[in-house]
Amino acid sequence: DSGVTQTPKHLITATGQRVTLRCSPRSGDLSVYWYQQSLDQGLQFLIQYYNGEERAKGNILERFSAQQFPDLHSELNLSSLELGDSALYFCASSGVTDTQYFGPGTRLTVL
Amino acid sequence: AQSVTQPDIHITVSEGASLELRCNYSYGATPYLFWYVQSPGQGLQLLLKYFSGDTLVQGIKGFEAEFKRSQSSFNLRKPSVHWSDAAEYFCAVGRSAGGTSYGKLTFGQGTILTVHP
Repeated sequence: DSGVTQTPKHLITATGQRVTLRCSPRSGDLSVYWYQQSLDQGLQFLIQYYNGEERAKGNILERFSAQQFPDLHSELNLSSLELGDSALYFCASSGVTDTQYFGPGTRLTVL
Repeated sequence: AQSVTQPDIHITVSEGASLELRCNYSYGATPYLFWYVQSPGQGLQLLLKYFSGDTLVQGIKGFEAEFKRSQSSFNLRKPSVHWSDAAEYFCAVGRSAGGTSYGKLTFGQGTILTVHP
């Protein structure tokens, strides 16, 4: 158990819908990262937040957005969903050691 | 831009045999290097990491990796593989900003390890 929690574990929805994925970092970690894992793209970095502020951005679509709240949990919002958005979405957190610990992931299926 | 190459998509070994998984990276500065393991339907578990210092690093589950700057490699090894080691292994490269945690990890495509009894 990494100490990073993600909910829900599975999510099934339809095209055009909007979903929210939630992540709670390890106690004391200020950074939260979001990654997408798909068969064709592999593991891709989406976005990082550090202590409530956006720190780095990767290949995140404009339909996707994220935020980190004062209690340091983070949410990833995916809207206007397409079939190609079906993937595993991982959250990771890191602290002063700069080591990223990953949550169990949310498997999103878009039908 | 940083990149990671894992040349072997799939490796099969017999239980008890030694293992080496290859990883080559491209990075403009001193890299932070990681190996993660992912079992089916599970998240990514950190096996080991290299930040600086001794180029041979020990990890969990009996794994070790050696950083070779001249070859831009960070290969993962295990002297004797157990059936429970069957999983997918990812090499990753990142950077740091002294604990303020700036930046992404860039992952290789992964190597699937199959272990025969």
